[in-house]
Amino acid sequence: DSGVTQTPKHLITATGQRVTLRCSPRSGDLSVYWYQQSLDQGLQFLIQYYNGEERAKGNILERFSAQQFPDLHSELNLSSLELGDSALYFCASSSLPSMNTEAFFGQGTRLTVV
Amino acid sequence: LAKTTQPISMDSYEGQEVNITCSHNNIATNDYITWYQQFPSQGPRFIIQGYKTKVTNEVASLFIPADRKSSTLSLPRVSLSDTAVYYCLVGINDMRFGAGTRLTVKP
Repeated sequence: DSGVTQTPKHLITATGQRVTLRCSPRSGDLSVYWYQQSLDQGLQFLIQYYNGEERAKGNILERFSAQQFPDLHSELNLSSLELGDSALYFCASSSLPSMNTEAFFGQGTRLTVV
Repeated sequence: LAKTTQPISMDSYEGQEVNITCSHNNIATNDYITWYQQFPSQGPRFIIQGYKTKVTNEVASLFIPADRKSSTLSLPRVSLSDTAVYYCLVGINDMRFGAGTRLTVKP
């Protein structure tokens, strides 16, 4: 158990819909990262928050948005969903604002868009 | 950002030592080198991190030459359960995982 909790574990929804994925970081970790991993593909970095502020942005689509709340949990919002958005979405957390430290990943949310 | 290059795949047999090399020619002075392991449908897991020379933990060793332009992750006596993708990350702000090295351990 990494200490990072992601909910829900599985999500099935229709095209055009909007979903929210939730991530609770490890206790004390201020940094949260979101990644997308499609079937047999690499990890695509989406966005990072550190202590409530957006710190880095990767290949995040305009249809996607995220935020980190005062209690440090984070939510990734995906809207106008397309079939190609089906993927595993991982959240990671670390104590420092850098992945170049020991980061801990959650078990992921598997999103299926039908 | 330091770009990394790793072999796409490697095969090994149980009980062998496996060495996976990562090239990072543009590594900056204050960059650390971090390795992660990922099993199918699971989030990556931190394996080891180093700055120079050699680092060893209960899972692996990391060898970094003096010029730091490459690093080698060494897995001693691999087992079938070491079959996974291994990623090398370099740089304070490098959050982008490359394609990694897919290691297959055969019986």
